[in-house]
Amino acid sequence: DAKTTQPPSMDCAEGRAANLPCNHSTISGNEYVYWYRQIHSQGPQYIIHGLKNNETNEMASLIITEDRKSSTLILPHATLRDTAVYYCIALKTDSWGKFQFGAGTQVVVTP
Amino acid sequence: GAVVSQHPSWVICKSGTSVKIECRSLDFQATTMFWYRQFPKQSLMLMATSNEGSKATYEQGVEKDKFLINHASLTLSTLTVTSAHPEDSSFYICSASGPYGSYNEQFFGPGTRLTVL
Repeated sequence: DAKTTQPPSMDCAEGRAANLPCNHSTISGNEYVYWYRQIHSQGPQYIIHGLKNNETNEMASLIITEDRKSSTLILPHATLRDTAVYYCIALKTDSWGKFQFGAGTQVVVTP
Repeated sequence: GAVVSQHPSWVICKSGTSVKIECRSLDFQATTMFWYRQFPKQSLMLMATSNEGSKATYEQGVEKDKFLINHASLTLSTLTVTSAHPEDSSFYICSASGPYGSYNEQFFGPGTRLTVL
């Protein structure tokens, strides 16, 4: 599975949109991009995933560049409860769900 | 839907004892379960893959005789830390896949914090 690179940390003001970048320049055609987040001392929570089209759900939007080498997770209106470590993971369809977590981005939402 | 539970949520034990952690998929049958370990301020590290009715597959560097995994049913996997030592103190997290027929749809449990004295 392709390696992903994320900034180690970022701050975001409450109520504003949070844009979390992820670089996956070596991603292959059969690899999905998954986003999970982990609030302190809890298990990871699924946010969204996509292959090449942009995706949106009730939690977030996922924007994948046309060349698929990078993506951005957008939290449209950040709240204090969105403070967490966000993980971007590239996973092949035949990986049988074996996620390899990187360091992620620590997002701190401030009032 | 797709809820995964873990029991206990935390446990303290003496060095040399064994500890069993349960992972249950509450509202779906999990064809595969995974076990992760997370040390403070570090990311999750995959320990093993557990398939119902077969032996677990361990990641490189994980001692299979120390971390015993049993996946006896489609809703239960257990991790037993045998002869625990202080260096085994960690946050253990399980995940389960298969609720919607996709192995890549994983749902995580809340984690179990193990402290070995």
